[in-house]
Amino acid sequence: DVVLTQTPSILSATIGQSVSISCRSSQSLLDSDGNTYLYWFLQRPGQSPQRLIYLVSNLGSGVPNRFSGSGSGTDFTLKISGVEAEDLGVYYCMQATHAPPWTFGGGTKLELK
Amino acid sequence: EVQLQQSGAELGKPGTSVKLSCKVSGYNIRNTYMHWVNQRPGKGLEWIGRIDPANGNTIYAEKFKSKATLTADTSSNTAYMQLSQLKSDDTAIYFCAMELDGAYWGQGTLVTVSS
Repeated sequence: DVVLTQTPSILSATIGQSVSISCRSSQSLLDSDGNTYLYWFLQRPGQSPQRLIYLVSNLGSGVPNRFSGSGSGTDFTLKISGVEAEDLGVYYCMQATHAPPWTFGGGTKLELK
Repeated sequence: EVQLQQSGAELGKPGTSVKLSCKVSGYNIRNTYMHWVNQRPGKGLEWIGRIDPANGNTIYAEKFKSKATLTADTSSNTAYMQLSQLKSDDTAIYFCAMELDGAYWGQGTLVTVSS
C-alpha cells in the first residue's frame, strides 16, 4: 500500500500567519488516466473530515480561497495564506490513485501559538 | 444537496456484533462506491473497505476481512457495516464516505466496546 508521510505533525501559528503542510508519497500518485488523486481534508474537533482540495489543486465547493494545493508525483503541499481561527484542527492528505485502499497521511494538527 | 446520515452511537459487549447504517439522500448510491473509514481515539484515519452498491461487490483492507461486513440496500439508498466479534480495540468512530472525490462523508458513529 502507498504510504503518505505528512510533516510537520504539529504546526503552531498565529492568526494571519501563512503556513504550509507537506505530504510525501512512497509512490508516484500520477494515474495512467493523467489525473493525480491526492486530496486534503480538515477535521475539526468532534467533526467528520471536510474535503478542502481535490486532485492536488482544485478547491472544494465553499472552501475559502486562502487554501491552496500544489505538487506532483510524490511531493504535495497544502498552503493556508492567512490562518483564521476556524482553520484549527487536524489536516490529512489522502490518496486514491492506488486504491483500494484509500490511504491517509498521519495528520497535522494546526494549533494557535 | 447530498447528505449522509449515520446511525447513532453503539455500546457493544465483547464478542458481540453491531450493525451501522449510512443513509444517503440527494444521490443514488448505485452510481458510486461507498467506503468506510475508522478513527480510534486520538488517532488518524484508517480505511476499512468499500462496496459497490450496484452489484454488492466488496473489497476490504486485510486487517478488516474477518471483522467487517459491508452491505447495501439500493431500495432505501443505505449502506451498512456489521462489525463482528467486538474487542476493546474496535472502540472507534466509524465514518461512511462516498467515492465522489472524497467530497461527502457521514457524521460518524461512535462504537464503544465494553463489558
